[in-house]
Amino acid sequence: AQSVTQLDSQVPVFEEAPVELRCNYSSSVSVYLFWYVQYPNQGLQLLLKYLSGSTLVKGINGFEAEFNKSQTSFHLRKPSVHISDTAEYFCAVSTNAGGTSYGKLTFGQGTILTVHP
Amino acid sequence: DTGVSQNPRHKITKRGQNVTFRCDPISEHNRLYWYRQTLGQGPEFLTYFQNEAQLEKSRLLSDRFSAERPKGSFSTLEIQRTEQGDSAMYLCATQGQFSSYEQYFGPGTRLTVT
Repeated sequence: AQSVTQLDSQVPVFEEAPVELRCNYSSSVSVYLFWYVQYPNQGLQLLLKYLSGSTLVKGINGFEAEFNKSQTSFHLRKPSVHISDTAEYFCAVSTNAGGTSYGKLTFGQGTILTVHP
Repeated sequence: DTGVSQNPRHKITKRGQNVTFRCDPISEHNRLYWYRQTLGQGPEFLTYFQNEAQLEKSRLLSDRFSAERPKGSFSTLEIQRTEQGDSAMYLCATQGQFSSYEQYFGPGTRLTVT
């Protein structure tokens, strides 16, 4: 079984400042890693994903994340945030969708990012 | 708008009543997942369909819960004899066979049991 820990439940930052949202995972098998964003009253939207290859992954809205296998981490970063980035962010893992896990996602508890003017 | 729709968006019911939610997937997506999200938590997996076959159910899915996906199209999730602990957001997600493991989420159905 796999698990995900998001180390910060809330992250307040000022506009145009850099931000890092931390995510650690635990799994006995290889994983695929995802970051989703949830705006108020909306469904989850995929920001970026790591399946294989380069450990630095770029996503939408200027976000990027780095997969670190030795530290079992997948931290999300943005060099300069905007007011519109205020939302809740979820880190998630899945294992081989072709196996018995069927690609189900295991989510962390979420990090609320609040960008102040 | 991801193309996954869920109805109703909100449901208020009294304890003991039955409720049914519907999810309409993106038309070419053969994989469909149900998740439950309670306040302050990330979504938790409930069940998975590949086409019309229900291939996995979480331990969270008690006997009061049942899900169907007739003909591999829309899906329904029914909760019988609702309890206050069932109050949550119920999310549906779908995935295409060749979509690189990306799940597309609907807006969810918020259930409140009074």
